[in-house]
Amino acid sequence: DGGITQSPKYLFRKEGQNVTLSCEQNLNHDAMYWYRQDPGQGLRLIYYSQIVNDFQKGDIAEGYSVSREKKESFPLTVTSAQKNPTAFYLCASSKDRGTQYFGPGTRLTVL
Amino acid sequence: GENVEQHPSTLSVQEGDSAVIKCTYSDSASNYFPWYKQELGKGPQLIIDIRSNVGEKKDQRIAVTLNKTAKHFSLHITETQPEDSAVYFCAASTYGNNRLAFGKGNQVVVIP
Repeated sequence: DGGITQSPKYLFRKEGQNVTLSCEQNLNHDAMYWYRQDPGQGLRLIYYSQIVNDFQKGDIAEGYSVSREKKESFPLTVTSAQKNPTAFYLCASSKDRGTQYFGPGTRLTVL
Repeated sequence: GENVEQHPSTLSVQEGDSAVIKCTYSDSASNYFPWYKQELGKGPQLIIDIRSNVGEKKDQRIAVTLNKTAKHFSLHITETQPEDSAVYFCAASTYGNNRLAFGKGNQVVVIP
C-alpha cells in the first residue's frame, strides 16, 4: 500500500525543547517537502529536498532543520529557536519536480 | 516570487447546486496549476490539475478552467454533495519547479 506516512499525529512540546517529526514515503519519489499550515492560512514551504543528502531552505526555514539520509525519509526537527512552533505540519513528495502529494500531517502544540 | 489569491474565502451552496472558486496569480511564467481538497484534520488531497497548454480540464463533477491572459484559474464543482464540504486550495508554479505558491484556501459548505 503506497503512500506518505507522518508520525506522530499529535505532538506536544515544552518550551525550549527540540522535537523531530517523521515523514516516510514508499512511492519511490525523488523530492520531498515540509510545509507549515496555520489556521486560515495557506501552506508555507519550510524545506525541500530533491535528492538524497541535499536540501534547500524554503520561505520560513528559520528555527527548523532537516536531513535526507535516505530516499524514503525526510525528518523535520523543530528547534527551540522557532519562536512560534504551534502549527499543523505537512510533508509532501513528488516524482522529480512534478505533482506533489501530501501526507496526513502532524499537529504540534507547544505547552 | 509568485503570489496566489483565492476568492471568496467562504462559499455556502445548496446541495445539488454548483460551486465556483476563483484564483488569481501574479507570475506570467507560471504554467502549472493544481487544486487540493483538505478535510478537517487531514492532509490536502490533489483533486485536479491543469497545465497552461490547455484551457480546461474535467474529471466527473470537477472542472478547472484557465485564462492565461487574465492570469486566473477557477475550480468548478457541479451537483455538489455534502462530502464536497472542505477547504480547497489552489496553487501555481512553473512545472518542474519545486516551489508551489498556495492560496489561503476557500471553505466550501454544502447545505443538505
